[in-house]
Amino acid sequence: NAGVTQTPKFQVLKTGQSMTLQCAQDMNHNSMYWYRQDPGMGLRLIYYSASEGTTDKGEVPNGYNVSRLNKREFSLRLESAAPSQTSVYFCASREGLAFFGQGTRLTVV
Amino acid sequence: GQQLNQSPQSMFIQEGEDVSMNCTSSSIFNTWLWYKQEPGEGPVLLIALYKAGELTSNGRLTAQFGITRKDSFLNISASIPSDVGIYFCAGHIGTSGSRLTFGEGTQLTVNP
Repeated sequence: NAGVTQTPKFQVLKTGQSMTLQCAQDMNHNSMYWYRQDPGMGLRLIYYSASEGTTDKGEVPNGYNVSRLNKREFSLRLESAAPSQTSVYFCASREGLAFFGQGTRLTVV
Repeated sequence: GQQLNQSPQSMFIQEGEDVSMNCTSSSIFNTWLWYKQEPGEGPVLLIALYKAGELTSNGRLTAQFGITRKDSFLNISASIPSDVGIYFCAGHIGTSGSRLTFGEGTQLTVNP
């Protein structure tokens, strides 16, 4: 029962570096989401994908890109990381109810 | 966009006390969800509510979907130390592909 799997769990980047956060779900859900969580600010939606082949901006999309590679996978890319992107990133998938991955803790120095 | 206001931001209670937290929205929601997050983990779904007025229980947890469809409440009875965590409400309008919006969370501390 894997559910939603995120990789990596931890990452440290230098300012200006790029990286891709991976997310995969095995529940055959149509919708997938990327959130960031910062202290005192709850979960803020970065991008979401209602179905394979579609993506939409959330509340805080600037500095990020996403790819819905297939129904299972939804990746989040930081092209040029900034310290303001230091956060914990959560992927979720939903078909009615939403289920979350364990998170990726990203530090940009 | 949609705004969810969750209160209180934090609570410090004694073991055995009851807890109540709520969320209000500027928009009407079709579904309300309540999650709990423990340190270092992702949010875990506790209760889902699907229609106005609905009252649903999960053990010591009870949640209600407000009649106006703009609010929801979560109550925890007879709290225990393992109830510690951050509780989030979430809601959405429409179908599976719609945006899921979260409240800012309620940090619960239970003193034994």
